[in-house]
Amino acid sequence: QSALTQPASVSGSPGQSITISCTGTSSDVGGYNYVSWYQQHPGKAPKLMIYEVSNRPSRVSNRFSGSKSGNTASLTISGLQAEDEADYYCSSYTSTNTLVLFGGGTKLTVL
Amino acid sequence: QVQLQESGPGLVKPSQTLSLTCTVSGGSISSGSYSWTWIRQPAGKGLEWLGRIYTTGSINYNPSLKSRVTISVDASKNQFSLKLTSVTAADTAVYYCVRAGGNIVVLNWFDPWGQGILVTVSS
Repeated sequence: QSALTQPASVSGSPGQSITISCTGTSSDVGGYNYVSWYQQHPGKAPKLMIYEVSNRPSRVSNRFSGSKSGNTASLTISGLQAEDEADYYCSSYTSTNTLVLFGGGTKLTVL
Repeated sequence: QVQLQESGPGLVKPSQTLSLTCTVSGGSISSGSYSWTWIRQPAGKGLEWLGRIYTTGSINYNPSLKSRVTISVDASKNQFSLKLTSVTAADTAVYYCVRAGGNIVVLNWFDPWGQGILVTVSS
């Protein structure tokens, strides 16, 4: 069982928006602004999409955005495209000696 | 831009030691406030952080691996390495070397990632 909780799957139609949640505790997600999100296509390495809750690397489309409320962080993808179909993982710094936590991953299906 | 590439054997026998090396190109492993980390992913499963070595040499490991893991750096070769002892089938996974942002206390983000190397533990 992963320390951060994500839904196993989400789906949406092209052009729609979807949100993926990532729930932790006050020792990780809720206590620090060190949440990041990764996109992974089959057979490929993960790719950083969002860091520090809501910051986006310049190479990432502005259709991707991040936010946080309490112990839950969220990744929103607007204007869904077929190429967005992938697995998405959240990660957070934790003040425990584990240092880093990952979510179990969410499979996004573009219908 | 910085690129990372894993290398090492793809097959390791049970109870033996898994040894991987990550070669960093496009930048010095000694520059900037980065950590050099190892993350693995069993087939069809999620990501597991194994450990990191910070620019200053400070090292942290995932407590779940207890004393089985060792990470080291060879700055002269711009490489860092992973050793995992007493491996079992449960250690079969794709192993990624990754640069991490943050500081000596915090691991913030992971980017870029190596392409990954599949290591199978089997006799």
